[in-house]
Amino acid sequence: AQSVTQPDIHITVSEGASLELRCNYSYGATPYLFWYVQSPGQGLQLLLKYFSGDTLVQGIKGFEAEFKRSQSSFNLRKPSVHWSDAAEYFCAVGGETGRRALTFGSGTRLQVQP
Amino acid sequence: KAGVTQTPRYLIKTRGQQVTLSCSPISGHRSVSWYQQTPGQGLQFLFEYFSETQRNKGNFPGRFSGRQFSNSRSEMNVSTLELGDSALYLCASSLQGKETQYFGPGTRLLVL
Repeated sequence: AQSVTQPDIHITVSEGASLELRCNYSYGATPYLFWYVQSPGQGLQLLLKYFSGDTLVQGIKGFEAEFKRSQSSFNLRKPSVHWSDAAEYFCAVGGETGRRALTFGSGTRLQVQP
Repeated sequence: KAGVTQTPRYLIKTRGQQVTLSCSPISGHRSVSWYQQTPGQGLQFLFEYFSETQRNKGNFPGRFSGRQFSNSRSEMNVSTLELGDSALYLCASSLQGKETQYFGPGTRLLVL
């Protein structure tokens, strides 16, 4: 069965600093990988996705993620964090044959200090 | 293009009641999936509908059910509500044959 681990429950960074959120997955075949962001009381907004090809993918709001098969990781990065990036971030894996059911990590809450 | 819409946004019910939540997918999207989000269990897949048929189902009791209409709009129903059903229920839609799911704002259900 597929699974996703986000080791960091809560991260605090200063505005303007760089950010890396970790995501490790377990999946038998080539996974479909996603990062979503959720602001308080809101739904999930898709930041970026990886299906195949170039292992470095660009998303919205200046985010990027790198797929590393050897490490079963799909870490999210941003070179300079803005106060508006404070939110909860979810990594998800999909693609299990015949099922359009995403498996989510437990999320990482990002706090941005001025 | 309008995004996924969900109604109502907030609901308060009491134990034993039933509730119906509605989801309208993005225009042209025919697949609709439902997820439950709670602080304790996180985001969990409930079920997926495509062309009015349930294609996949998560590990939830039979009190949770859904349906999809010919216009792709979907409803989910929870019968005999329990306190533990308090959650944010998220609907997501996707294009036929595509894996990317786009989420609505959710319906927050509080069971008293």
